[in-house]
Amino acid sequence: KAGVTQTPRYLIKTRGQQVTLSCSPISGHRSVSWYQQTPGQGLQFLFEYFSETQRNKGNFPGRFSGRQFSNSRSEMNVSTLELGDSALYLCASSTGRSQETQYFGPGTRLLVL
Amino acid sequence: GENVEQHPSTLSVQEGDSAVIKCTYSDSASNYFPWYKQELGKGPQLIIDIRSNVGEKKDQRIAVTLNKTAKHFSLHITETQPEDSAVYFCAALRGYQLTFGKGTKLSVIP
Repeated sequence: KAGVTQTPRYLIKTRGQQVTLSCSPISGHRSVSWYQQTPGQGLQFLFEYFSETQRNKGNFPGRFSGRQFSNSRSEMNVSTLELGDSALYLCASSTGRSQETQYFGPGTRLLVL
Repeated sequence: GENVEQHPSTLSVQEGDSAVIKCTYSDSASNYFPWYKQELGKGPQLIIDIRSNVGEKKDQRIAVTLNKTAKHFSLHITETQPEDSAVYFCAALRGYQLTFGKGTKLSVIP
């Protein structure tokens, strides 16, 4: 079974721009979660989508948004980029049932200049 | 919300020795505790997990213990090998949200 895939793998943007990241979950998985990883803050939860609905949201500003499509693929958007948004963005997929394992993709490395 | 503390932040062991990483969590509603290994340039990879109705789980050289009363859980790696060198993260799941510890950088010295 193919794992979680994320595109693009690397991205360079400038302040004020917006960016869209994509995540394809493991086949059959209906839940996609997004995390931001930085050296200072570690892994922080952004939001989780299940069956095209946002089911959980972390403590990030409204500039961070996401959506999920009917095939469970998910996109994450960051508008008005700031230098502090430079990070590794990880998505994880699971079946969506309680206490189920989340499997991570390789991440998208975003650098904001 | 949930808060997960992880110790130590760095750990160096000789090849063949054991390594132990400890985590505590704050929310008694958390019911699933996975451990991830992250190598440079890669996403976290699940290595073992434990559910709240289990006290211990073992998979070859890796074991995890959970003490629900004290709200702490630990990762034990025996007979460490150089390929075990990586950053290890503990996490606690409450509902559908994972909260991670800050990570432990494990170095296994040949």
